[in-house]
Amino acid sequence: KNQVEQSPQSLIILEGKNCTLQCNYTVSPFSNLRWYKQDTGRGPVSLTIMTFSENTKSNGRYTATLDADTKQSSLHITASQLSDSASYICVVSASANNNDMRFGAGTRLTVKP
Amino acid sequence: KAGVTQTPRYLIKTRGQQVTLSCSPISGHRSVSWYQQTPGQGLQFLFEYFSETQRNKGNFPGRFSGRQFSNSRSEMNVSTLELGDSALYLCASSLEGGTLESSYNEQFFGPGTRLTVL
Repeated sequence: KNQVEQSPQSLIILEGKNCTLQCNYTVSPFSNLRWYKQDTGRGPVSLTIMTFSENTKSNGRYTATLDADTKQSSLHITASQLSDSASYICVVSASANNNDMRFGAGTRLTVKP
Repeated sequence: KAGVTQTPRYLIKTRGQQVTLSCSPISGHRSVSWYQQTPGQGLQFLFEYFSETQRNKGNFPGRFSGRQFSNSRSEMNVSTLELGDSALYLCASSLEGGTLESSYNEQFFGPGTRLTVL
């Protein structure tokens, strides 16, 4: 069973709308959680990195939240743009040196005009 | 600073052949990790090299191997290719591992090599 579960699997929204992607994990111990954006045919690009003590971190229109007690994270995208169409991958590391990273299957987001 | 580069970008092989993929990390980065990405399995960790030594390994058969050179460039080799090896192979580099806080040990991914096995 995957230790990082993402939902929804796919999402279609209209340009300008907001959306929230979910990531639930059972990885233990926990070191950090990252959200990556992966455009089709390209490698993932880091959006945010959060450690145990961080609850919220923003990167432009992207805001990630982390609840280490419930082992849940969300990625909120505000005022979506067509360029936000991509896969968003949640990655949880069990160790500080990232030797033990667990990947979610990703959420495929499509933003339509 | 140039990003992580991978060559070739696309590759077509037939079953039973072997293949070598190359990755050049960001200048100054000593850790290189390899991942396999398929639509069904998502991203899966293959192995990590640090200072020319394999430091960590995922659950892949021995047909998958790698190495790292003194300039931190890394190669990945897959022997006796199978249809199921068709995937996007991603390389990621980071400054170094050890006990640094992970916030400062961010991985940067290359564009990947798309391998198709016929």
